[in-house]
Amino acid sequence: AQTVTQSQPEMSVQEAETVTLSCTYDTSESDYYLFWYKQPPSRQMILVIRQEAYKQQNATENRFSVNFQKAAKSFSLKISDSQLGDAAMYFCAYRSANQGGKLIFGQGTELSVKP
Amino acid sequence: KAGVTQTPRYLIKTRGQQVTLSCSPISGHRSVSWYQQTPGQGLQFLFEYFSETQRNKGNFPGRFSGRQFSNSRSEMNVSTLELGDSALYLCASSLGGVWNEQFFGPGTRLTVL
Repeated sequence: AQTVTQSQPEMSVQEAETVTLSCTYDTSESDYYLFWYKQPPSRQMILVIRQEAYKQQNATENRFSVNFQKAAKSFSLKISDSQLGDAAMYFCAYRSANQGGKLIFGQGTELSVKP
Repeated sequence: KAGVTQTPRYLIKTRGQQVTLSCSPISGHRSVSWYQQTPGQGLQFLFEYFSETQRNKGNFPGRFSGRQFSNSRSEMNVSTLELGDSALYLCASSLGGVWNEQFFGPGTRLTVL
């Protein structure tokens, strides 16, 4: 069975600084997708960024980028120029290419941004 | 385009009762997935429906069931409620392909007393 682990329950960053959230996963599959979701206090889950396992190039979305290390099964999220609106719970998630829409989530990292 | 809607937003039930939650996906989306979110267990996958068929199922007891209608709207039912069923229930819709983005609804907060 696949598992996703986020070892940092809480993180804090100063506004305008950079922060990296860690995520590791375990799978025996070769074809899968990885995601980072943001859940603000409103509880609305929002997709931040996604990565296809077969792509070596790391995904980037504006201030958000990932460091995907397939051999190490590591998928970290880097947030540059942090803003107050980035404060939220961040979830790393795994989706197999063979299991439809099923997402397996990590336990989450609560990010606070200090002004 | 309207987002994913879930009704009701809040629900209070007592142990032993049953409950039905509803999810209306984004227009054109054929896949609806359900998740349970609790402080202790985190986010756990319940099941996914695609074109009225259950495509995937998580590790939940048979008290948890669902269905999807021809208009892609989905309902989730929990029978014989237990205190541990208190949670935020999220649904997500997508076009159905594994790469397609899942759009989440605001959730239904269920409290079992």
